[in-house]
Amino acid sequence: KNEVEQSPQNLTAQEGEFITINCSYSVGISALHWLQQHPGGGIVSLFMLSSGKKKHGRLIATINIQEKHSSLHITASHPRDSAVYICAVTSNQFYFGTGTSLTVIP
Amino acid sequence: GAGVSQSPSNKVTEKGKDVELRCDPISGHTALYWYRQSLGQGLEFLIYFQGNSAPDKSGLPSDRFSAERTGGSVSTLTIQRTQQEDSAVYLCASSLARGQGHGYTFGSGTRLTVV
Repeated sequence: KNEVEQSPQNLTAQEGEFITINCSYSVGISALHWLQQHPGGGIVSLFMLSSGKKKHGRLIATINIQEKHSSLHITASHPRDSAVYICAVTSNQFYFGTGTSLTVIP
Repeated sequence: GAGVSQSPSNKVTEKGKDVELRCDPISGHTALYWYRQSLGQGLEFLIYFQGNSAPDKSGLPSDRFSAERTGGSVSTLTIQRTQQEDSAVYLCASSLARGQGHGYTFGSGTRLTVV
């Protein structure tokens, strides 16, 4: 069993739709990260959370420590949001989810 | 091995000393990346290798940082004259090739503490 589970693995949405990607983890953590693997191949950090909620533009990330669950929301999705989104947690080491491949269709 | 292996897992060093961090990627993965996460910060890109060459070194924070990759496999990240601000978790990842269609596999990181 993976320490970090993401769902869905693949997601196709119409432009403008509200998107949610989920992440559950089974280890004690000090922080949770949402990462974006851009079509060009590089990875950028979107959020680092240890509690509550963070918002950056159209992206919102939430975490529920008691339930060991986090969600990444994208409002008013756009084709440029197409990417792989990765959930990672920091425990005594990093654990990574396998990623969610998002395609937003115009 | 089945995954990306990094060593050491933890390293404590005195300020001013040099350190070497090692990454052993998945066999056959031509792309290799180094990242770091400093305390309270997000993931920061350092350098990318395609085979043995490094087309993108844009993330290296200073000339004290260097990296090499030999035989298209193992990579070493070297930090000379370490400073306290170098303390971070250094992560290595590999993929078959660069691009969205190729997933990353990350190592579990090297936690570097400069005292």
